[in-house]
Amino acid sequence: SQELEQSPQSLIVQEGKNLTINCTSSKTLYGLYWYKQKYGEGLIFLMMLQKGGEEKSHEKITAKLDEKKQQSSLHITASQPSHAGIYLCSGGTSYGKLTFGQGTILTVHP
Amino acid sequence: EAGVAQSPRYKIIEKRQSVAFWCNPISGHATLYWYQQILGQGPKLLIQFQNNGVVDDSQLPKDRFSAERLKGVDSTLKIQPAKLEDSAVYLCASSRDKAQGLYNSPLHFGNGTRLTVT
Repeated sequence: SQELEQSPQSLIVQEGKNLTINCTSSKTLYGLYWYKQKYGEGLIFLMMLQKGGEEKSHEKITAKLDEKKQQSSLHITASQPSHAGIYLCSGGTSYGKLTFGQGTILTVHP
Repeated sequence: EAGVAQSPRYKIIEKRQSVAFWCNPISGHATLYWYQQILGQGPKLLIQFQNNGVVDDSQLPKDRFSAERLKGVDSTLKIQPAKLEDSAVYLCASSRDKAQGLYNSPLHFGNGTRLTVT
C-alpha cells in the first residue's frame, strides 16, 4: 500500500528562522495536499499540488512537488509562533487511495 | 460557507459500551470521509462515501464499526462494542470531488470527536 513518509518528525526553531518539511511517497502521486493541525482540532487546508515541478506560495509558506511527483517539500520563511502546529502531507494515487503522512510537529520559540 | 460539523466534541465511555458520532458535511460535497487519528499519528481512513454509496471501507473494523450516509448528506459512525485501542480522534471530512482518483479539490475537515475508552 502507498506510504507517505514525513521528515523530520519534529522540529524546534527560533522565531525568524527558515525551515523545510519533506514528504516522500513510494508511488507516483496524482494529488498532494498540505494541511496544518492545531492540537485537538481538525486539519486546515494549506495548499494543493498536482503537476510535476509545481510550486505554490501563500504568505510565507511555499510548497513544491518534484518532477517525478514522489516528493514534496513545505518551506516556511521567517517563521513566527503562529506557524506552530502539526503539518501533514496527504497524497493520492491513480487508484483513488488518499493517505496521510505521520505529521511533523513544529515548535517556534519567540 | 459553513464548515463540516461534527458532534459530540468529546466522549468518554467504558470498554464494551457503544458510541455514535455524527457528521454534517459542507453542502453540495459529494464525498464524505471518516478518519481515525491516534495521538502522534496521521489520520487513517476508515470509510469513504460517494454520495450515499461506500467506495472504500477496506480499513474499517467491520466486526465493531459501522457507518452510514443516508440520503447522501449527513453521516453517522458507530462503534459497538468499544475497545481501549479505539481511543482516538475521529475526523469527518468532505470534498467536492465526485469520483475516486480525482484530486481537484481539497478535503475540508471538521474539528473531530475525541473518544476516550476506559
